[in-house]
Amino acid sequence: SQQGEEDPQALSIQEGENATMNCSYKTSINNLQWYRQNSGRGLVHLILIRSNEREKHSGRLRVTLDTSKKSSSLLITASRAADTASYFCATDTQGGSEKLVFGKGTKLTVNP
Amino acid sequence: DTGVSQNPRHKITKRGQNVTFRCDPISEHNRLYWYRQTLGQGPEFLTYFQNEAQLEKSRLLSDRFSAERPKGSFSTLEIQRTEQGDSAMYLCASSHRGTGTEAFFGQGTRLTVV
Repeated sequence: SQQGEEDPQALSIQEGENATMNCSYKTSINNLQWYRQNSGRGLVHLILIRSNEREKHSGRLRVTLDTSKKSSSLLITASRAADTASYFCATDTQGGSEKLVFGKGTKLTVNP
Repeated sequence: DTGVSQNPRHKITKRGQNVTFRCDPISEHNRLYWYRQTLGQGPEFLTYFQNEAQLEKSRLLSDRFSAERPKGSFSTLEIQRTEQGDSAMYLCASSHRGTGTEAFFGQGTRLTVV
């Protein structure tokens, strides 16, 4: 079963606007990651945030984590057409498992 | 290119046939993962190797599925007696230190069972 739930399922914005995607998860985690997937391709790692961190930045990306609400958000600032992709959050599971549990993703379309 | 390589990229097979996929991870990575992704869904974990040892298997990995990683290098995923429900993208990933670090994914093998 999938732990993460991204919201919204789809998002369409104009180039230059900011895009915010949210992720909720169910169980305690050690860390949370965001990945991007272009249509029909593999996943590309964007950013990892640990459970003791609240916010992390990487270039135009800003990720927040609220462990009390079991939620995370990914903000892409000044979006570009090349940011068009599906975005997934992935969590580990405490207890020694090595698997990542992915949500269903947010499909982002950035219109030029 | 030193990324994760998967072959073939596409496979069309008839129901009941066996198929085998190959994954070559990043050479210094000792952890290798297989995931399956169906349309509109996120990837679902299938199995995990640390070096040559298969340490975790999902309940999704029925007895028709087998994965190996001989010598801790490349890995193969075989599906026997394929069913239409096996149609999916099969993704391989590798990492150096487990879920506390990023996983590097291959481009995937898209399987279509007709």
